[in-house]
Amino acid sequence: EVQLLESGGDLVQPGGSLRLSCAASGFTFSASALSWVRQSPGKGLEWVSTISGSGTRTFYADSVKGRLTISRDNSKNTLYLQMNSLRAEDTAVYYCAKGVHSSSWYTYDYWGQGTLVTVSS
Amino acid sequence: QSVLTQPPSASGTPGQRVTISCSGSRSNIGGNTVNWYQQLPGTAPKLLIHSDNERPSGVPDRFSGSKSGTSASLAISGLQSDDEADYYCASWDDSLKGVLFGGGTKLTVL
Repeated sequence: EVQLLESGGDLVQPGGSLRLSCAASGFTFSASALSWVRQSPGKGLEWVSTISGSGTRTFYADSVKGRLTISRDNSKNTLYLQMNSLRAEDTAVYYCAKGVHSSSWYTYDYWGQGTLVTVSS
Repeated sequence: QSVLTQPPSASGTPGQRVTISCSGSRSNIGGNTVNWYQQLPGTAPKLLIHSDNERPSGVPDRFSGSKSGTSASLAISGLQSDDEADYYCASWDDSLKGVLFGGGTKLTVL
């Protein structure tokens, strides 16, 4: 059974940092691209970032470029999102999503339950 | 404001057929496939349609997708109360080199 378990969400002050993790199981980790998708309270889905199965290719939304960094450790079956210079508009539930193959940037067949990041003073 | 444009709401009665549109441009829908996601209240999104019109295993054939030019549509036939959810289209944008989601359509079953 495929499982994606996000963690690391918290209340953080503007300008602060946070690292999200997504522990995966139930599939060949390196064979799937992985993405972060966020959803602000009461709003729609917003794509944040995607990383290829090998980790060599990454893509970012313009709204987070230069502040958020996606990475993965294929030996630990874990996806990360390092979040720096956080802003109030980064407040959202962050979902980890699995691509159907190693270069599947937006076809997500499994999603985690999400972790809440709140940026506020 | 999303580059993929969806109506904010749609509705229908049980048994009816409803369609949800998703309008884009040549750099996204016009040149890439479209996926549809269903998000039931309080849950994570679920892949409903991929590659314009393909249903993943387990998705009822009441759900179908189509695409023409720079627009795509999701059709739901035999509407059920369980179909009340938010529906999102998604595609890749060649200019932005990123993923776009539509703004979402809230479906109400009357």
